[in-house]
Amino acid sequence: DVVLTQTPPTLSATIGQSVSISCRSSQSLLHSNGNTYLHWLLQRPGQSPQLLIYLVSRLESGVPNRFSGSGSGTDFTLKISGVEAEDLGVYYCVQGTHAPYTFGAGTKLELK
Amino acid sequence: QVQLKETGPGLVQPTQTLSITCTVSGFSLTSYYMQWVRQTPGKGLEWMGFIRSGGSTEYNSEFKSRLSISRDTSKNQVFLKMNSLKTEDTGVYYCARGVQPDYWGQGVMVTVSS
Repeated sequence: DVVLTQTPPTLSATIGQSVSISCRSSQSLLHSNGNTYLHWLLQRPGQSPQLLIYLVSRLESGVPNRFSGSGSGTDFTLKISGVEAEDLGVYYCVQGTHAPYTFGAGTKLELK
Repeated sequence: QVQLKETGPGLVQPTQTLSITCTVSGFSLTSYYMQWVRQTPGKGLEWMGFIRSGGSTEYNSEFKSRLSISRDTSKNQVFLKMNSLKTEDTGVYYCARGVQPDYWGQGVMVTVSS
């Protein structure tokens, strides 16, 4: 199975600070069809996960553009340009290129 | 608007079978994959399997032959059944829409205990 390693496990930020989360895969996530099925989710406390970024860098409808995704192959990054209070929670990367789909262990974003 | 809602038992005894229904609205099951994902204290988020828009299924081998996913398109419902439950199966079970899961249900908490 593909292992997704997220770093850091915990991130402390002040409002307005820009932060980045890394997701590294044990295998390339480039599918034979040319797509890279690497997505980012946010799970706020007590809520279901919600999709932020799909296919590495595409912003889900309704998600603020302070969120951005980048990367290729095995290395991916989620960036938040100016953290807001509503961004607190646990961020997960998830891959859908290789079955079984797998999730990272999560990065908890906290207020400093 | 798009909505997904899981319903199921809160408590299941070990060795018994879990049945959860995901009722959807605002879209057609014949147009989207539907996934099942669970979140357990021991393993975090785990992909369990999906049913494609055409009705075929794919499962995480982790669950071997314990798991079955099906649907009733006339009722806009997707079903998860998993047998031989263990205490480690305790967690929150979610249905989610699409290959990149863009909508999620609220989840249903399942406790496996005698």
